[in-house]
Amino acid sequence: SAVISQKPSRDICQRGTSLTIQCQVDSQVTMMFWYRQQPGQSLTLIATANQGSEATYESGFVIDKFPISRPNLTFSTLTVSNMSPEDSSIYLCSCNSGGTDTQYFGPGTRLTVL
Amino acid sequence: KQEVTQIPAALSVPEGENLVLNCSFTDSAIYNLQWFRQDPGKGLTSLLLIQSSQREQTSGRLNASLDKSSGRSTLYIAASQPGDSATYLCAVRRAAAGNKLTFGGGTRVLVKP
Repeated sequence: SAVISQKPSRDICQRGTSLTIQCQVDSQVTMMFWYRQQPGQSLTLIATANQGSEATYESGFVIDKFPISRPNLTFSTLTVSNMSPEDSSIYLCSCNSGGTDTQYFGPGTRLTVL
Repeated sequence: KQEVTQIPAALSVPEGENLVLNCSFTDSAIYNLQWFRQDPGKGLTSLLLIQSSQREQTSGRLNASLDKSSGRSTLYIAASQPGDSATYLCAVRRAAAGNKLTFGGGTRVLVKP
């Protein structure tokens, strides 16, 4: 299994500012994933992050709004840029681990934008 | 485009009753299906993973079945307890889409003591 930690666990931010969320995995993984869960909704994939290459974004998500870094095989960051109240969500990182197909999730970062 | 539906959206049962949670998907070309539990404001905990070649998986009081041809999976929780109260999400992975998961909307479960 994989143990995933995220920082911060929650934050309240002002409109127009940016927040960077960190995701740390306890083992090396090839792909890391960033999901968004809007209030009362299910999860939607934002992007897939591979080490050493640019992230691949899903339809409706762009790099300028959600820049992602993947400096090594255990760490990734997601930045939510120029935030608006519509960005208020839980952001979760995820990965497969240990050669299994099971996907593991971090505890999430609860973001509120005022 | 894969669509995943979970019905009902919410379920309330008395303690001890068996829970039956449904998940349906539109594209049967899946690689696997995974059931998760989410407590309020928290991340996801993986419960069971069923590969496309499997019919069911069991873990303790939990049993998940998969009927790929009809696009359905069912999660059974035996002898429910108040601690089972949570939102249950199913997610399918398409082989052609790499590791991307498509999630259902979830079923919010309340087990009353």
